[in-house]
Amino acid sequence: QQQVKQSPQSLIVQKGGISIINCAYENTAFDYFPWYQQFPGKGPALLIAIRPDVSEKKEGRFTISFNKSAKQFSLHIMDSQPGDSATYFCAAGARGYNSGGSNYKLTFGKGTLLTVNP
Amino acid sequence: EAGVAQSPRYKIIEKRQSVAFWCNPISGHATLYWYQQILGQGPKLLIQFQNNGVVDDSQLPKDRFSAERLKGVDSTLKIQPAKLEDSAVYLCASGGIGLEKLFFGSGTQLSVL
Repeated sequence: QQQVKQSPQSLIVQKGGISIINCAYENTAFDYFPWYQQFPGKGPALLIAIRPDVSEKKEGRFTISFNKSAKQFSLHIMDSQPGDSATYFCAAGARGYNSGGSNYKLTFGKGTLLTVNP
Repeated sequence: EAGVAQSPRYKIIEKRQSVAFWCNPISGHATLYWYQQILGQGPKLLIQFQNNGVVDDSQLPKDRFSAERLKGVDSTLKIQPAKLEDSAVYLCASGGIGLEKLFFGSGTQLSVL
C-alpha cells in the first residue's frame, strides 16, 4: 500500500524556470510533511517542511504549498539552477503506537529526478 | 557538528553470505533509524531505536535481518543470509525525539550477486 504518491517521476526544466513536484497522501493522521533532497552517493537531506496548520511555507527559492482538504502538497523551486539537479522526495510523518511505545514515523514517496539544464 | 557516519560505503557479496553495516549517529541524538533504499524508490524504514530500545521493527524481515544499538549510541544492521533482492542502499539516520531535524548518513551500497 503506497501511502504517499509522488509525481512526476522525472522532470527536466531550463535554468531560471519553475520546478513543481506534487505529492498526495491518504492517511489523515499525517501531521508533518517534509521534502528531502538527495544527490548521488549521498543520503537525503531535509530541504523544507510544513505542518498542516499552514497552507504555504517559503524558504528562499523553495516553497511548499499544502492543501489539507485535497490531501495534497507540492514543492515549488523558483529560478531553478543546475545545482538543484537532484532527486527530491516528499514524505509524510505521523505518530504511531506499537508494543515499543509511541514513535514518529516517516513514509517517503518514490522520488522525482530533477534535471535543470543550463 | 559531525554528521552520521556509516561504513562500509560499498559491499559486494554473494547470495546466502552474511553482511553487517555500522552506524555512528550524531552525538546526543536519541533516535536512530535504519532505512532501505532500493534503486529508484524512496527510503523504507526497517527499524527505529530510541536510545537502546527498539521502538518499531514492524517492517524488518526478522528471519534474515537483525539490528542492535549498544549503549544507545552506535548501531549495527546484519543480514544473514543475503538474498538478491537485498541489493539496495542502507541508510542510517539519527535525530531527537520527533521528526524534525532528521539527519541521514551517506549509506552503504550493498550488491548481492
